[in-house]
Amino acid sequence: GENVEQHPSTLSVQEGDSAVIKCTYSDSASNYFPWYKQELGKGPQLIIDIRSNVGEKKDQRIAVTLNKTAKHFSLHITETQPEDSAVYFCAASIIPQGGSEKLVFGKGMKLTVNP
Amino acid sequence: DAGVTQSPTHLIKTRGQQVTLRCSPKSGHDTVSWYQQALGQGPQFIFQYYEEEERQRGNFPDRFSGHQFPNYSSELNVNALLLGDSALYLCASSLDYYGYTFGSGTRLTVV
Repeated sequence: GENVEQHPSTLSVQEGDSAVIKCTYSDSASNYFPWYKQELGKGPQLIIDIRSNVGEKKDQRIAVTLNKTAKHFSLHITETQPEDSAVYFCAASIIPQGGSEKLVFGKGMKLTVNP
Repeated sequence: DAGVTQSPTHLIKTRGQQVTLRCSPKSGHDTVSWYQQALGQGPQFIFQYYEEEERQRGNFPDRFSGHQFPNYSSELNVNALLLGDSALYLCASSLDYYGYTFGSGTRLTVV
């Protein structure tokens, strides 16, 4: 199947707290998992990605973990700042039968960081 | 280095009309994918173009068609517009399957 579930749909934290977004996917052949940040009126911006041969990747305050057995992956943001407020999308690569790779997105999570 | 450029940024059309949206990919990218993003939803895959051919298509009717030019730029055409076609249309370019970069999108409103 082609399904990416993302939760929670909204999250409100205080500045300096951590935020975690979780996603599950259905296609066991998926091997690429990017995370995008979308601000109002803009297109999604890639913030971090991970491939299936890696279990964890970190870039400053952002980290992503992948559990291929359980088919879930998570985004962790530490020391949140007001400018982290945005909608965050997870995605997974899907290769349909007879087709070529495409990205399938979750429904997004609206993060609000309160000063 | 210019990223992905989409035009126009906003568009208002009447039901039944036809619309063409344009996308210039990021320098060095050869693949263009189009997505439809309804309000409050994640992007939904429409189709992908590579080497001037449609390589993959999502669950969208034939009213949605596209084209890729030799310089890798692309167009999305929608015929017989419906109210439900109102959305943000996103173009993403990549080098084959790597490094998807999105443009800012075209906001289409059908009235």
